[in-house]
Amino acid sequence: GAVVSQHPSWVICKSGTSVKIECRSLDFQATTMFWYRQFPKQSLMLMATSNEGSKATYEQGVEKDKFLINHASLTLSTLTVTSAHPEDSSFYICSALLNGYEQYFGPGTRLTVT
Amino acid sequence: AQSVAQPEDQVNVAEGNPLTVKCTYSVSGNPYLFWYVQYPNRGLQFLLKYITGDNLVKGSYGFEAEFNKSQTSFHLKKPSALVSDSALYFCAVTFYSSASKIIFGSGTRLSIRP
Repeated sequence: GAVVSQHPSWVICKSGTSVKIECRSLDFQATTMFWYRQFPKQSLMLMATSNEGSKATYEQGVEKDKFLINHASLTLSTLTVTSAHPEDSSFYICSALLNGYEQYFGPGTRLTVT
Repeated sequence: AQSVAQPEDQVNVAEGNPLTVKCTYSVSGNPYLFWYVQYPNRGLQFLLKYITGDNLVKGSYGFEAEFNKSQTSFHLKKPSALVSDSALYFCAVTFYSSASKIIFGSGTRLSIRP
C-alpha cells in the first residue's frame, strides 16, 4: 500500500514552454502533498507544500508564479513549470502525507529544458 | 536551527562485510526518524522508521537502525552488505502534524565492491 505515482517520468521541452507534472496517491487520500527538487548528487530541496482545496505554501526563494501548484483532489497534485528555461532542468519528486507524519514519495520526473 | 547531519559523503564496503551509515540530528521535541534509499533516477524508497518504543528498528532489505537519544544518533546498519545495496541513502527527521515537513540529511553514497 501507500503508492505514489508521477507522470511523466521524464520530459524534454523547449525553452519558453510550460510543462505539467502530475503526482497521484494511488491507494490513499492525501490532504497534503509536497514537491521537491533535486540537483545531481544533492539532497532534496522542498519547493512547496500542496494542500487540497487551498493555495500551496511555497518555500522561501521559490517563485510561485513560476512553479504553479494545484491540488484539486485528495489524490492528485500537479506542478506546472511555466515558461521553462534550461536552469529549470532538474529532477522533481513529489510526496504524499499519510497518518500525519509519513511521506510516501513518487518515482520522480526528470525535466530537461533545451 | 533544526538539522540532520550525515557526516560521510561516501561509504565504501566490501561485499559480505557489515556496513554502517551514520546520522545525527539536532532538533527540539520528539522527532520521528526515517531512512530512505534512492537508486539512480528514482524517487526515495522507505527503509525504516523510529517513532517510539524499542530503540532498535528493523526495516527492508535486512537493514536496521538504532535510535540513541543521548547521542542524538540514528545510524543505519546491515550485518552483511550486498552489491545491490549500492545507492544513495538519506536520513530524515519529521514531526507529527497535518503539514509535517521532513528535514533531510545531505545523503551518503554507499558503494559495495564485489
